[in-house]
Amino acid sequence: ELKVEQNPLFLSMQEGKNYTIYCNYSTTSDRLYWYRQDPGKSLESLFVLLSNGAVKQEGRLMASLDTKARLSTLHITAAVHDLSATYFCAGRLDGGGSQGNLIFGKGTKLSVKP
Amino acid sequence: GAGVSQSPSNKVTEKGKDVELRCDPISGHTALYWYRQRLGQGLEFLIYFQGNSAPDKSGLPSDRFSAERTGESVSTLTIQRTQQEDSAVYLCASSLVGGGNEKLFFGSGTQLSVL
Repeated sequence: ELKVEQNPLFLSMQEGKNYTIYCNYSTTSDRLYWYRQDPGKSLESLFVLLSNGAVKQEGRLMASLDTKARLSTLHITAAVHDLSATYFCAGRLDGGGSQGNLIFGKGTKLSVKP
Repeated sequence: GAGVSQSPSNKVTEKGKDVELRCDPISGHTALYWYRQRLGQGLEFLIYFQGNSAPDKSGLPSDRFSAERTGESVSTLTIQRTQQEDSAVYLCASSLVGGGNEKLFFGSGTQLSVL
């Protein structure tokens, strides 16, 4: 069974600061996803990481994947208020029977304050 | 349509009633997912459809929950004899399969409130 754990679950940071959200998963996952959810809205895909060492960046967000450590990180650089949202990571079983089933973490609620 | 469409956006029902939630996936997407999100929580997998394969129902919490999909189009999630603990946002997502990406596109959800 794949379990996905994120930390921290709540993060309050000041504008201009850097921080990292961590996503650990319990067994092999053939890909790792990051999503963003604004209050009252649905989920928006940010990144799909497909292989060990994969790094993707968009704007102030950078995601990486270490399959050996079963760890993905989402790094925030010079945070701005617009980044305030809940961020979810999700994994999928590597070759498992439930090919389509993504398992989500509980989410990290990020609040960026001026 | 351009995105995943869900209806209704909000549903208030009385305990014990049946409800039916609808999802229109992105045209051409063969995979369709239903998730449940309780207030302040993560996403809980319910069911997954892929083409003509048997659906993965492993996430359905009880036999009161069922879902159908007609071909590669509309899906309906039915909850019978609703209970207060069924109150949540029900999210539908669709994706292409193959090509190594398979990014999920989510609908806006149906907010279900069981009184």
